[in-house]
Amino acid sequence: DSGVTQTPKHLITATGQRVTLRCSPRSGDLSVYWYQQSLDQGLQFLIQYYNGEERAKGNILERFSAQQFPDLHSELNLSSLELGDSALYFCASSVDGRLAGNEQFFGPGTRLTVL
Amino acid sequence: AQRVTQPEKLLSVFKGAPVELKCNYSYSGSPELFWYVQYSRQRLQLLLRHISRESIKGFTADLNKGETSFHLKKPFAQEEDSAMYYCALKGNSNSGYALNFGKGTSLLVTP
Repeated sequence: DSGVTQTPKHLITATGQRVTLRCSPRSGDLSVYWYQQSLDQGLQFLIQYYNGEERAKGNILERFSAQQFPDLHSELNLSSLELGDSALYFCASSVDGRLAGNEQFFGPGTRLTVL
Repeated sequence: AQRVTQPEKLLSVFKGAPVELKCNYSYSGSPELFWYVQYSRQRLQLLLRHISRESIKGFTADLNKGETSFHLKKPFAQEEDSAMYYCALKGNSNSGYALNFGKGTSLLVTP
C-alpha cells in the first residue's frame, strides 16, 4: 500500500496511561500532519513535521508530543491520558505544504478510547 | 483569524435533487480552499480544490471572495453521495500550511 498507513487501528486504554500512535507517510512525502477528530471539537490540527523537523504546532496539549524519524515515519505520543482524549487521530502527508494546491493525503486513523 | 464555517450539520435531499453544501471562511490574505469527503468508515479524501477549478463526481465549487464562500454544488444528487463533507482552508506558514476544517456537513441522499 503506497498510501498513508496508521497503526494501530484501535486502542483502548485507561486514564493516566501513555500510548504511541504510528504513521507512515506516502512514499516521497516529506510533510506529516497530525489531526484529532472529536465529536465536540471536530477536526483539529495538532502538529506538523517536515523532513524530520517540527514545523508548526496547533492545538496540541503539553501532554502530547510527536517526532518524525529519518525514514520519515512519525509517532504521536499521548501521556497522562484523560477521558477527553478519546478521539480519532488522523495522520496526513504531503509533498510540501507550501505548494499551491498541494493535497494532503489522510491515513485511516487510530481510534483511541480512554476508559 | 482563520476560520471555516459550515452552517448545516445535516442535509437531507432526495435522489436527483440539487444539493448545495455551504462553506464560509475568514482569512486575511489569498485563501486556498478544499473540499474533503469521508464516506462511511473510510479515510478523508480530497474531493475538490479551488485552485484547479475541476469537477469531480459531478461536484463543483466556486470561490467567491466577495462573499468569502466556497459552496459545494451538484445538480443531481445520487445515493452514493451520502457522506460527511468537510470544507478546509489551508493555513499559512505559521501553521505549517495545516488545514483548518469546518465542523462538517453530513449529506444524506434518500431514494
